[in-house]
Amino acid sequence: DAGVIQSPRHEVTEMGQEVTLRCKPISGHDYLFWYRQTMMRGLELLIYFNNNVPIDDSGMPEDRFSAKMPNASFSTLKIQPSEPRDSAVYFCAIGSSYNSPLHFGNGTRLTVT
Amino acid sequence: AQSVTQLGSHVSVSEGALVLLRCNYSSSVPPYLFWYVQYPNQGLQLLLKYTSAATLVKGINGFEAEFKKSETSFHLTKPSAHMRDAAEYFCAVKSGGSYIPTFGRGTSLIVHP
Repeated sequence: DAGVIQSPRHEVTEMGQEVTLRCKPISGHDYLFWYRQTMMRGLELLIYFNNNVPIDDSGMPEDRFSAKMPNASFSTLKIQPSEPRDSAVYFCAIGSSYNSPLHFGNGTRLTVT
Repeated sequence: AQSVTQLGSHVSVSEGALVLLRCNYSSSVPPYLFWYVQYPNQGLQLLLKYTSAATLVKGINGFEAEFKKSETSFHLTKPSAHMRDAAEYFCAVKSGGSYIPTFGRGTSLIVHP
């Protein structure tokens, strides 16, 4: 079964600090997505990778955000420096074929004070 | 281009009543359609999917959805609501060879005893 492990589940940090969110896909994917969820904006696609290569990062809000996928089993989303408006739940999701659904991790709830 | 509209950000029903969550899509080619459920503090989970086979699709937890091309709709129903059905529900569409789904804004289902 495809699955996604995200860490940490909760992150509280102060404005200006660097934050790194982690995603470990278990198996069975060609695509990896990073989403952000807030009450105001709903679910937003930040960036996605195909076979570990970043394809579209047009959803990344600012240069403060960066994402990497060094191999098929690991991806990171980094925010440096963090700001209070970055507070949200960040999800990693994986997908494979065109007609298949996405499989989501349980998310990281980020609070920036 | 593809898009999804979920009518009603909140739907409130009594336990045992019919659940109807509305989803309309826009797509220039035959779409693949999905319903996801999100419980508190969890990621999105697949409820059901339409991939051009039967127009009436049955999913988990007693939910089903019917694809109506003439109405460009894919409404989600359940004959009898349970308290455990209280969650956020998202409709999503993929079309035109895109691996990237477009999500609706979500509908929060509230179930009263």
